[in-house]
Amino acid sequence: EAQVTQNPRYLITVTGKKLTVTCSQNMNHEYMSWYRQDPGLGLRQIYYSMNVEVTDKGDVPEGYKVSRKEKRNFPLILESPSPNQTSLYFCASSPHTGVDSPLHFGNGTRLTVT
Amino acid sequence: AQSVAQPEDQVNVAEGNPLTVKCTYSVSGNPYLFWYVQYPNRGLQFLLKYITGDNLVKGSYGFEAEFNKSQTSFHLKKPSALVSDSALYFCAVRDGGNFNKFYFGSGTKLNVKP
Repeated sequence: EAQVTQNPRYLITVTGKKLTVTCSQNMNHEYMSWYRQDPGLGLRQIYYSMNVEVTDKGDVPEGYKVSRKEKRNFPLILESPSPNQTSLYFCASSPHTGVDSPLHFGNGTRLTVT
Repeated sequence: AQSVAQPEDQVNVAEGNPLTVKCTYSVSGNPYLFWYVQYPNRGLQFLLKYITGDNLVKGSYGFEAEFNKSQTSFHLKKPSALVSDSALYFCAVRDGGNFNKFYFGSGTKLNVKP
């Protein structure tokens, strides 16, 4: 089944403890991106990647890192999480960056930082 | 700067009645518009898109959307609502200057009552 898989689905951690949220897609998509969803704000783009080893910042990149060493994987790294990073995170992919290419989303990771 | 506004946090409609979920956008250049639906504990699913051409776009599950350039709107519609349509709906625009960037509205919760 074609899908975007995120792990874990739920994560509770403490301030300052480094964590990684994994994202993997099995559709051979070139483009991948990360979003955070907060009530009343919709989804905001954190980082995106056009292909292997090519990444760039979205609108809210502060406090996050990403890497794209393989085409299928695009992990999101929080080196020193803070409570304001408590949110619902989504990974998404699309075949390419053409204007007509919609995003395919994972099921989300709910992160709580205390 | 690109932006999307969904003026209604919530829309209530009776089953069998027509529904409209509103979206307005602000872009520099051509608008590339999308609607997504989010069911509880799931990622967003693509419904339909407007890239160019006919102003009335048809999508999944009987949904359609009307693009209106003069009013900068892209409202989502369905002639006859189902209880199963109850979900969170997001309008999104792809940045015409940088296709890697998406901007989402804040979301509209659709409640369809039996």
